[in-house]
Amino acid sequence: DGGITQSPKYLFRKEGQNVTLSCEQNLNHDAMYWYRQDPGQGLRLIYYSQIVNDFQKGDIAEGYSVSREKKESFPLTVTSAQKNPTAFYLCASSATSGRTQYFGPGTRLTVT
Amino acid sequence: QKEVEQDPGPLSVPEGAIVSLNCTYSNSAFQYFMWYRQYSRKGPELLMYTYSSGNKEDGRFTAQVDKSSKYISLFIRDSQPSDSATYLCAMSVNVGANNLFFGTGTRLTVIP
Repeated sequence: DGGITQSPKYLFRKEGQNVTLSCEQNLNHDAMYWYRQDPGQGLRLIYYSQIVNDFQKGDIAEGYSVSREKKESFPLTVTSAQKNPTAFYLCASSATSGRTQYFGPGTRLTVT
Repeated sequence: QKEVEQDPGPLSVPEGAIVSLNCTYSNSAFQYFMWYRQYSRKGPELLMYTYSSGNKEDGRFTAQVDKSSKYISLFIRDSQPSDSATYLCAMSVNVGANNLFFGTGTRLTVIP
């Protein structure tokens, strides 16, 4: 079964802690993305990666970090510097020359 | 002004009704237009994809693009309770673009 998996589905953390969200794809896609979704704001791009060992900041990268050591994996770390980390986080992937992005099921992060 | 504007709803219709969902945009360079469906607490799934102006039909769904008016629509015929979801429009300038511009989503409920 090809697709994108994100884990965990729900994540709870205390303020001041870093937390890493997992994203894995077996679609053999080159490009991967992280979005944040908040009510009334649509999806906002955090980071994207077009190729292994390379990634670029999106519109709201502050307080986040990523790595792309393997083609199939693109973990996102939400650091303590992120001022408002509670949100629904979505990972997506696309073929390099593909026209569309395919999304994972999301991780809902709650920081208290 | 946001790049993409979408009425958040909510929109409630009786089963069997024709539903019209719309987005407007400001960037005339957008050429690729997508509609995603997102069920509650899930990741968005691609419904329709169109390039430039015109209509595209897929079963009960029709996507329409009017570039002269910077206006796109998604029509759902014979709406079903299973169509109840949030519908997101998205668009990009180039194929394989790293950054999609999303609307905030319209929440649709189809009442049996």
